Order: sequence, then structure tokens, then C-alpha cells
Amino acid sequence: EAGVAQSPRYKIIEKRQSVAFWCNPISGHATLYWYQQILGQGPKLLIQFQNNGVVDDSQLPKDRFSAERLKGVDSTLKIQPAKLEDSAVYLCASSLQASGAYEQYFGPGTRLTVT
Amino acid sequence: SQQGEEDPQALSIQEGENATMNCSYKTSINNLQWYRQNSGRGLVHLILIRSNEREKHSGRLRVTLDTSKKSSSLLITASRAADTASYFCATDRVDSSYKLIFGSGTRLLVRP
Repeated sequence: EAGVAQSPRYKIIEKRQSVAFWCNPISGHATLYWYQQILGQGPKLLIQFQNNGVVDDSQLPKDRFSAERLKGVDSTLKIQPAKLEDSAVYLCASSLQASGAYEQYFGPGTRLTVT
Repeated sequence: SQQGEEDPQALSIQEGENATMNCSYKTSINNLQWYRQNSGRGLVHLILIRSNEREKHSGRLRVTLDTSKKSSSLLITASRAADTASYFCATDRVDSSYKLIFGSGTRLLVRP
């Protein structure tokens, strides 16, 4: 079974530039998550999709971050414009359903450095 | 919003010893999960324990849950160098059971 795919793996940009990340979840998984993980901390949920609808985006900085999951499969997360504090690893995960009773499968992450 | 806190923040042990890490949380939960993160394999699910369960085993892993104290522990027996990683607990609150909230993690170093 193929895992969660993410690209790119690494990205270096200057502040005020824009960047986009892509995620392809495990086939058949209805729920897709984007997390931000700052060095030394646990993953923080940015946005959660159930199929192509948003379940939770309460911690997404909507003035600069946006995400979409067209057709309920793959997803993109965009930052525009980037700030220095956006330097982090961005993790995509998927699960069968939106419930804490299901394990989440994580991709390798995208390490973003904003200079 | 912080839900889980792992303790200790860092742990260093000798290969073959047991490692115990703890997780405390603030509000009632339905489930608690433990994940491991290392540079080689990323973030991987280890074990899930439901609120009506007190103990679960998986290989060398033993997880306990005490809902009255709002705490859980993860025991790794006969540790190996390959167990070197960060370990996170993640909980789903009863009032928002559709998502997990991760703690800040315990960094485990197993010395050969």
C-alpha cells in the first residue's frame, strides 16, 4: 500500500514570497490533515478535510495560509506571503475517517526555511 | 490549544533498559494515541487506547491509561538503539472527537 506522498521535501524562500505544498493521501482515506511542526514541538493541526469539505481550520492563519482539496483526493497548502516564523516542517496526514479512533498516516513532510 | 504534555521532555538510557514516558491531558477524551518520530521513518502510529481501556500491549510496548488522573504512560521494554526517537501522545477531546491534539513530546536517546 502506497503511503502519503508530499512534495517538495525541502524549500527555502525569502520572507514575503509565496510557497505551495502538495499532498496525496492514501487511497480511500476520506480525511486529510495539514500540520505545522516547529522544531522541538509537537505537530499543530492547521486544517482538516473530510472528503473535499473543511472540518476544522480554527488554527489556520487565514490572512496568509490557504488550502484546498479539490475532488476530495490530493490537497495543496499555500502560504502567501511567508514570514520568518513560518519556518517549520509541514506534515500531511490521512485517515479513514475524521475520528480520534482512527490512526493517522503521515507523509515525510516538507521542511520550509524562510530567510 | 495544548492538551497533552509529555514528561520527561528528554530521556537518555542504556540499550537493554526500560524507558517510561508519561502524558497528561486536561479534558475528558475518547481515545489516546502514541506516535513515534525519527528522522528515518517520520511520524508513525504506535498504539491506540480507548477511554474504557486501562492497558494495552503491542510487542515491547505497554500503554496504560488512567482517566481519573487524566494521564497515560508508555513503557518500552528492553530498549534498542533503533528506539531513539521522539514520542508523542495525541488525544481527542470528547467535545471535538474528530481531531487529535498532539503533545510536545519526549525525546528518547538509547545509548548502545
